[in-house]
Amino acid sequence: GQSLEQPSEVTAVEGAIVQINCTYQTSGFYGLSWYQQHDGGAPTFLSYNALDGLEETGRFSSFLSRSDSYGYLLLQELQMKDSASYFCAVKGLNYGQNFVFGPGTRLSVLP
Amino acid sequence: NAGVMQNPRHLVRRRGQEARLRCSPMKGHSHVYWYRQLPEEGLKFMVYLQKENIIDESGMPKERFSAEFPKEGPSILRIQQVVRGDSAAYFCASSRAGHTDTQYFGPGTRLTVL
Repeated sequence: GQSLEQPSEVTAVEGAIVQINCTYQTSGFYGLSWYQQHDGGAPTFLSYNALDGLEETGRFSSFLSRSDSYGYLLLQELQMKDSASYFCAVKGLNYGQNFVFGPGTRLSVLP
Repeated sequence: NAGVMQNPRHLVRRRGQEARLRCSPMKGHSHVYWYRQLPEEGLKFMVYLQKENIIDESGMPKERFSAEFPKEGPSILRIQQVVRGDSAAYFCASSRAGHTDTQYFGPGTRLTVL
């Protein structure tokens, strides 16, 4: 099976950089995905790491290290609109195994 | 290019009634997934369907819940004899290919059981 752990809450100020970690226990998976969800909204796809290393998309970057069973989402130049919940998710190797989401990290960006 | 569509956005039912939630995937997507989210919690996988087939229903409660994705029309998540504990947000996602492809989510249906 698969299980993921994330910090429940993170607080930072506008303009800062924040890192949201995701550690996992899994028998194998294709890649690590990150989703953003604002209160009352739908999860929105942010990034996907199929391979180890850093993927950069604008202000957001995501990192994966399979050997460490660890990944993170890095948000730079924080803006108030970045206040949301962030979920990591993994997709199992076997056909039919679907996304398992982490519990989510609630990011609060302060002025 | 329209995204994933879900309706209704809000649904209120009394205990014992039936709830039907609809999901139309993105154009070109043939894989549909349903998730449930309780307040302040993460998403829990329920079921994965392709056209006319249920691929994985390991997350579905054994009773009262069913899902379908017919050849024509939207995917339907059906909850019979709803109870208060069914109150949650139900999200549908779709992907172009299954198994490894990125899933894109609809706006969700917020079910309230009185």
